Amino acid sequence: DVQLTQSPSAMSASVGDRVTITCRASQDISNYLVWFQQQPGRVPKRLIYAASTLQSGVPSRFSGSGSGTEFTLTISSLQPEDFATYYCLQHNTYPPTFGGGTKVEIK
Amino acid sequence: QVQLQQWGAGLLKPSETLSLSCGVSGGSFSDYYWSWIRQPPGKGLEWIGEINHFGSTYYNASLKSRVTISIDTSKNHISLRLSSVTAADTAVYFCARGHGVGAVISSPFEYWGQGTLVTVSS
Repeated sequence: DVQLTQSPSAMSASVGDRVTITCRASQDISNYLVWFQQQPGRVPKRLIYAASTLQSGVPSRFSGSGSGTEFTLTISSLQPEDFATYYCLQHNTYPPTFGGGTKVEIK
Repeated sequence: QVQLQQWGAGLLKPSETLSLSCGVSGGSFSDYYWSWIRQPPGKGLEWIGEINHFGSTYYNASLKSRVTISIDTSKNHISLRLSSVTAADTAVYFCARGHGVGAVISSPFEYWGQGTLVTVSS
């Protein structure tokens, strides 16, 4: 299975901060990478697909980049509603696998 | 608008069989794979398997011996059965729309069911 390693696993940040989360794949997954945001007790929400395409309705402060084995999710200016856990997912190879998650907490 | 509505038993005893269903409304049911994903309390997400309208299935090898995903194309719903459950199967189970079938180009997991907490306890 393709292993996805997210870093950091948790972080503290302030409103207005620029936040970058990394997802590293154990093998080349091209651009078959999706980013999700999950609030506590809620359903995961797709933010980015195809590594860099912004989901309709998602604020433009979210962006994704990368291909192959290295990917990043960037939040340009953190807002109060962005405090959540973020997951990456690869769907290049079966089974689809998720990263371990990055919890973004309020500093 | 695509909507997924889940239902099924939320409390099981060890060795029983988990049974959940997911009804799909809106959009094209036959153009996509439909997946089940689970999330143990406080932990990450795990893909369980998927099915398309032909009944073709793919399962995660870690659960394959115990999982059956089925489809009812006349009712636009899919079902999950997981046999011989243990406490380790306690999780929120989600259904979600997967990738497109054949020439349908679509990135997966845009649409999700509301989730069902299944607790396994004696």
